Amino acid sequence: GESVGLHLPTLSVQEGDNSIINCAYSNSASDYFIWYKQESGKGPQFIIDIRSNMDKRQGQRVTVLLNKTVKHLSLQIAATQPGDSAVYFCAERVGNEKLTFGTGTRLTIIP
Amino acid sequence: EPEVTQTPSHQVTQMGQEVILRCVPISNHLYFYWYRQILGQKVEFLVSFYNNEISEKSEIFDDQFSVERPDGSNFTLKIRSTKLEDSAMYFCASNRQGSYEQYFGPGTRLTVT
Repeated sequence: GESVGLHLPTLSVQEGDNSIINCAYSNSASDYFIWYKQESGKGPQFIIDIRSNMDKRQGQRVTVLLNKTVKHLSLQIAATQPGDSAVYFCAERVGNEKLTFGTGTRLTIIP
Repeated sequence: EPEVTQTPSHQVTQMGQEVILRCVPISNHLYFYWYRQILGQKVEFLVSFYNNEISEKSEIFDDQFSVERPDGSNFTLKIRSTKLEDSAMYFCASNRQGSYEQYFGPGTRLTVT
């Protein structure tokens, strides 16, 4: 069936380095993608989103890249900080309201 | 900054009991959702609600579940007869008209014993 999934369950990055978190999706009809950050014991927190008619979108220290040809989504975090340590989820929307979440990647920033 | 709030933060109940989880979405938002997250797993969609009715529900959202917007601010999820497998974090989310960005609450941890 259709699914959103992540390549790597864990990622450790040295503080100050850049990190890239990847996500594969299989539903070519998805028109909107979003990255959430979830810290322990908290709800998902919006990071950045991108619509399917775009390839790239930048925010503060974060960039999302969308490659529709290979159905791949990535989140780049520049100059990582200890506060970036969390689980990151990608999610997709397929023309209706609900979001379908991936399984999550745990990012650990090493001081 | 406005935020989604949820109460209680933790609910412990015995199997077979009814529970009501409460949410106050952001005030100008019109679309409301419940999601759940079993420990260590991904966030799963349960139900969406718009214009005072359910607009979509997942296969998880069976007859034991119901949602209600009893007044202009609260949005509730009721589980009529809880099962052990209902133990999870339950997140409420909302978004405004014209935006796909869903804002999530802090969650209610439901423990069924």
